[in-house]
This record gives sequence, structure tokens and C-alpha cells, in this order.
Amino acid sequence: GQNIDQPTEMTATEGAIVQINCTYQTSGFNGLFWYQQHAGEAPTFLSYNVLDGLEEKGRFSSFLSRSKGYSYLLLKELQMKDSASYLCAVSTGANNLFFGTGTRLTVIP
Amino acid sequence: NAGVMQNPRHLVRRRGQEARLRCSPMKGHSHVYWYRQLPEEGLKFMVYLQKENIIDESGMPKERFSAEFPKEGPSILRIQQVVRGDSAAYFCASSTLRGLQETQYFGPGTRLLVL
Repeated sequence: GQNIDQPTEMTATEGAIVQINCTYQTSGFNGLFWYQQHAGEAPTFLSYNVLDGLEEKGRFSSFLSRSKGYSYLLLKELQMKDSASYLCAVSTGANNLFFGTGTRLTVIP
Repeated sequence: NAGVMQNPRHLVRRRGQEARLRCSPMKGHSHVYWYRQLPEEGLKFMVYLQKENIIDESGMPKERFSAEFPKEGPSILRIQQVVRGDSAAYFCASSTLRGLQETQYFGPGTRLLVL
């Protein structure tokens, strides 16, 4: 079967760093995506990892370990506008995405 | 460059009616995907289409649901004889397949409420 686990909720302070973890067991693997979704809005693409290692893009970084079935999204210098759900998704082939239930991040002053 | 467009943004139907959800992909994208998001749940893949072809419908319910992506015009997700359990947000995404894996860009969604 397919399974993606990520924490349901996290809270962090403005200006701090937060790491959102994602573990997966899927029948195929063609890369891992992170999306940001504000309440009532469309998911917005953040990052894509297909090789092991860290991909950095501004305040956001994403890490992948294929052997461990593990990824994390790192958010630095948190801002209030970063309060959103963060969705981990695995491409299992045939170009469709299998999503986790998302981590709801609340940034507090 | 306009993003993925979906309409309507909100749709209210009574049980037994039909719902038609439309999706126009980003310019230059020829691949469309439909996902359903139930409250407090993750996005669930429903169907993947290219122009005039259904590529993968493994996530579509066997009855009442159908999808198309005609040569001209938007992709349509059609739900016949809606039931309360169909109430959800339906998201469309599009991509262009230039390599092994292409990023999917999502539309704003259609929120369907069945009374």
C-alpha cells in the first residue's frame, strides 16, 4: 500500500526555524514534492527532490533520503504569512501525485 | 501568463442533481489532473488526462463520476446524481511533460456543497 506520514500540526515563533518531516512508503518513486496551501486556496509548488540531498531555495530548503523514505522541509526566518498547511507528495509514476494529509503550521508572534 | 483556471469556485447542488466542474490548464500545458480534498484530509488523485485521452483514472469512483479533456475547451469533471459525500474541494492541476517528471500547478479549486 501507499502511505505518507507527516505531523498534523506544528507551532513556531516568528523569526525562528522549523522543520517539517515526511516519511513515505510507496509502490514507486519518481520524486517528492512539497506544496504550501493557505486555507481555502490552491496548493502552491515549493520544491521538488528526486536525488538524495538538500535543495535550497531562499528561506525554504528541502531534503530527501530515498534509502530511508524520508524528507523534510526547512523554513527559516519564519514570517506570519508562512502560517499554512504544508503538503508532502510523492510521484509514484504515471505523473500522478500521492499526498500526505498535510502539516498545519501556525506562526505566532 | 494566466495560471490554472477553475470555475465555478463554489457550487451548491441538491442530492440527485448533476455537477459540472471546469478546468482550463496553464498556457502551453497539455496534461490535466483532478484531485479531491475532503475536509481535514489530504488531496486524493482522481484522474489524469491529456487532450482527448484519459491516461489514468485509477482514482475515479466507478459510478457517477466522469472526466473529459476535449480537443477544444476546458477539461470537465462531471458528477451525476450527487450525494452528500461528494461535498469536497475539487482541484485541477496541469503540467507539461518535457522530462521524466514535471511539476503540477494547481488551480484555485471548486468547492462543491451537496445539500
